[in-house]
Amino acid sequence: QVQLQESGPGLVKPSETLSLTCTVSGVSISNYYWSWIRQPPGKRLEWIGYFSYSGSTKYNPSLKSRVTFSVDTSNNQLSLNLTSVTAADTAVYYCARESRGGYNWDYWGQGTLVTVSS
Amino acid sequence: DIQMTQSPSSLSASVGDRVTITCRASQDVSTWLAWYQHKPGKAPKLLISDVSTLQTGVPSRFSGRGSGTDFTLTISSLQPEDFATYFCQQAVSFPWTFGQGTKVEIK
Repeated sequence: QVQLQESGPGLVKPSETLSLTCTVSGVSISNYYWSWIRQPPGKRLEWIGYFSYSGSTKYNPSLKSRVTFSVDTSNNQLSLNLTSVTAADTAVYYCARESRGGYNWDYWGQGTLVTVSS
Repeated sequence: DIQMTQSPSSLSASVGDRVTITCRASQDVSTWLAWYQHKPGKAPKLLISDVSTLQTGVPSRFSGRGSGTDFTLTISSLQPEDFATYFCQQAVSFPWTFGQGTKVEIK
């Protein structure tokens, strides 16, 4: 059974770096593409970008200059770093597995709320 | 970016009702359109890909249709477990974008 679980600080100060981890179980992260997606309160979902173990990445241009993805295959974990955060980065952050057909996500984590505030 | 607009934003319906949600794209997305169901505190669930392909395990009361810029998700007979928010997503071009969601509530 494939499961994804996001974790990280629930509160980040403005101008600091938001760092989240997604722990994946039931499947090797090496075999799929993965995305980070977020949803600010009261707003629609926003795709942050995708990446693969092989190094293929694609970022949303609106966030590209501040986002970094990484993978830890030994722990089957994915990571997201978002630098220079502001209140606009307050959101529920999801990690998700891209389906074999591509371009959509067949497994998601439950999401983790990150609030940017001093 | 391609804008995805869903209507209505919310609706109230009764168990057994037929419900249709519309998703309109600001430009042609061909068949690169998916639908998801999201319940509070839960992981979103992929219902339909490629406009009309039902995912394994998704009840047949769910169906999708459309092409180009106009798409619909229909629940033929609403069940208690279907009360949730539904959103569409396009992937014809980057960045992939989502509709704002349609909340289906109990009448």
